[in-house]
Amino acid sequence: AQKVTQAQTEISVVEKEDVTLDCVYETRDTTYYLFWYKQPPSGELVFLIRRNSFDEQNEISGRYSWNFQKSTSSFNFTITASQVVDSAVYFCALLHGSSNTGKLIFGQGTTLQVKP
Amino acid sequence: DVKVTQSSRYLVKRTGEKVFLECVQDMDHENMFWYRQDPGLGLRLIYFSYDVKMKEKGDIPEGYSVSREKKERFSLILESASTNQTSMYLCASSLLWSPLHFGNGTRLTVT
Repeated sequence: AQKVTQAQTEISVVEKEDVTLDCVYETRDTTYYLFWYKQPPSGELVFLIRRNSFDEQNEISGRYSWNFQKSTSSFNFTITASQVVDSAVYFCALLHGSSNTGKLIFGQGTTLQVKP
Repeated sequence: DVKVTQSSRYLVKRTGEKVFLECVQDMDHENMFWYRQDPGLGLRLIYFSYDVKMKEKGDIPEGYSVSREKKERFSLILESASTNQTSMYLCASSLLWSPLHFGNGTRLTVT
């Protein structure tokens, strides 16, 4: 079965705190892709990152970083020095290798609130 | 930049009405998707299409149908709207293995 679990429903932090959003996935495929999307209050989902299953290197992009660990089937997302503009719903998603249609499986989403 | 346009941002319909949600993308993507978003449930796939006139059911197709007569347009149809179809509907498009590009969403209320 293919599944993505984001156990944290809501997180609230104060500006400048670091915050980590957890993502755990299940798949039997050896080839797969993992994604993170951000959904600000405007509603449109914005693509943040894609990772393939053969690349376990961590990635950093400004204040954003991603930790991919196949041993624990996790793909966690950390925001350093959070800002109010980071307030959004964040989704982790899986595209499994046996899919030939680009169909993503999404987690339930984590709502992040960053307070000034 | 890829643009995915959903025809309505907000819709209010009555129970039993036939409802059309339209989605257009401008990047010649083969794949198009309709998701439904509900609190606590994340995004759930209703239908998707990987080519003109081709469609496949997603996880929750009941009560919905789709139409893809042209590559750039993917329509979601609620044959007889019900209150449990009140939700946010998101359209997306992609090339295979590429990230999905989403529209702004249509918030549908069925009364």
